Amino acid sequence: KQEVTQIPAALSVPEGENLVLNCSFTDSAIYNLQWFRQDPGKGLTSLLLIQSSQREQTSGRLNASLDKSSGRSTLYIAASQPGDSATYLCAVRRNTGNQFYFGTGTSLTVIP
Amino acid sequence: DTEVTQTPKHLVMGMTNKKSLKCEQHMGHRAMYWYKQKAKKPPELMFVYSYEKLSINESVPSRFSPECPNSSLLNLHLHALQPEDSALYLCASSHASDRVGANVLTFGAGSRLTVL
Repeated sequence: KQEVTQIPAALSVPEGENLVLNCSFTDSAIYNLQWFRQDPGKGLTSLLLIQSSQREQTSGRLNASLDKSSGRSTLYIAASQPGDSATYLCAVRRNTGNQFYFGTGTSLTVIP
Repeated sequence: DTEVTQTPKHLVMGMTNKKSLKCEQHMGHRAMYWYKQKAKKPPELMFVYSYEKLSINESVPSRFSPECPNSSLLNLHLHALQPEDSALYLCASSHASDRVGANVLTFGAGSRLTVL
């Protein structure tokens, strides 16, 4: 079974800092990997999706990379802002079927 | 329309009540999902429907009964729940796995369930 781990579990940074969140998965037979943001008590908002054939995706201040062979993805946030404070989750989709496996999440706090 | 709509947003029920959670999407997605999320934990998959047929049931107790009446709607019927079933219930949808492409998983805002 696919195991997805995110490190660190919690991160606190001052405003303006660049930061990297990590996602590791045990089975490289994935179809895609998606990064989400979740605010407390709310649903998940999709940030970026990387297909298994891609190496990275960018949206604004966010950049996600994927190294399928080593089972790793990173989410890079540039010039962090207090509004970036949330829990960030990665999810991998299997090569076959409709199953998504979620990581354990990283809780980010950006201090003004 | 790029939204998944869940109702109700909040639900309080007793252990003997029968209630339902509803989910609707109009993005043409043919895979729909129910997830359960406890505080400070990632979402746990409960059920997956593909083309209106139940394709995955992650050993969920029978007091949770899913239903997919058509390609846009997904219900979760609740009966004889326990206090430990209190959680945020999230609905999501995506294109089915047989469709080549990005297949983004789109979530609703969730239904916060409290069982007394």
